[in-house]
Amino acid sequence: EAGVAQSPRYKIIEKRQSVAFWCNPISGHATLYWYQQILGQGPKLLIQFQNNGVVDDSQLPKDRFSAERLKGVDSTLKIQPAKLEDSAVYLCASSLAIMNTEAFFGQGTRLTVV
Amino acid sequence: TQLLEQSPQFLSIQEGENLTVYCNSSSVFSSLQWYRQEPGEGPVLLVTVVTGGEVKKLKRLTFQFGDARKDSSLHITAAQPGDTGLYLCADDMRFGAGTRLTVKP
Repeated sequence: EAGVAQSPRYKIIEKRQSVAFWCNPISGHATLYWYQQILGQGPKLLIQFQNNGVVDDSQLPKDRFSAERLKGVDSTLKIQPAKLEDSAVYLCASSLAIMNTEAFFGQGTRLTVV
Repeated sequence: TQLLEQSPQFLSIQEGENLTVYCNSSSVFSSLQWYRQEPGEGPVLLVTVVTGGEVKKLKRLTFQFGDARKDSSLHITAAQPGDTGLYLCADDMRFGAGTRLTVKP
C-alpha cells in the first residue's frame, strides 16, 4: 500500500515569496491533516479536512496561509507571502476517519525562508 | 484550549537502561496516542489508549493511561539505539512538544 506522498522534499525561498506544498493521501482516507513542525517542537495542527470540507482551521494563519482539498483527495498548502518564522517542516497526514484511527504521515517538506 | 505537557524534554541514556517519559494534559483526554518520529521522517503511531487505567505492551514498550485520563506514561525496558527518536503524545491529533530520546551504544 502506497503511503502519504508529499512534494517537494525541500524548498528554499526568500522572504515575501510564495510557496506551495502538495500532498497525496493514502487512497480511501477521508481525513487529511496539515502540520507545521518547527525545529525542536512537536507538530502543530494547521488544518484538518474531512473529504473536501474543513473540520478545523483555528490555528491556520489565514492572512498568509491557505489550503484546499479539491475533490476530497489531493491537497495543497500555500504560503503567501512567506516570513522567516515560517521556516519549518510541513507534514501531511491522512486517516480513514476522524476519531480513534491511525494517522499516517508523509516525510514532510522542509521549508527554509531566507 | 488543551495543553499537553511532555517530560523530560531531552533524555540521553546508555543501551540497556530503562526509562520512562510522561505526558500530562490540562483536560481529560478523548483518546491518547503515542507516536515516535525519527529524523527526516513523519511520526509513526505506536499505540492508542482510550480507557482510564489501561495498560498496553508493545515488545519492550509499556504504555499506561491514568485512571483520570489526564496523564500517560511510556516505559521502555532495556533501551536499544534503535529506540532513539522523538516520542510524541497526541490527543485528537493535537501533539505535545515531545521527548527527544538518545540511546547510546
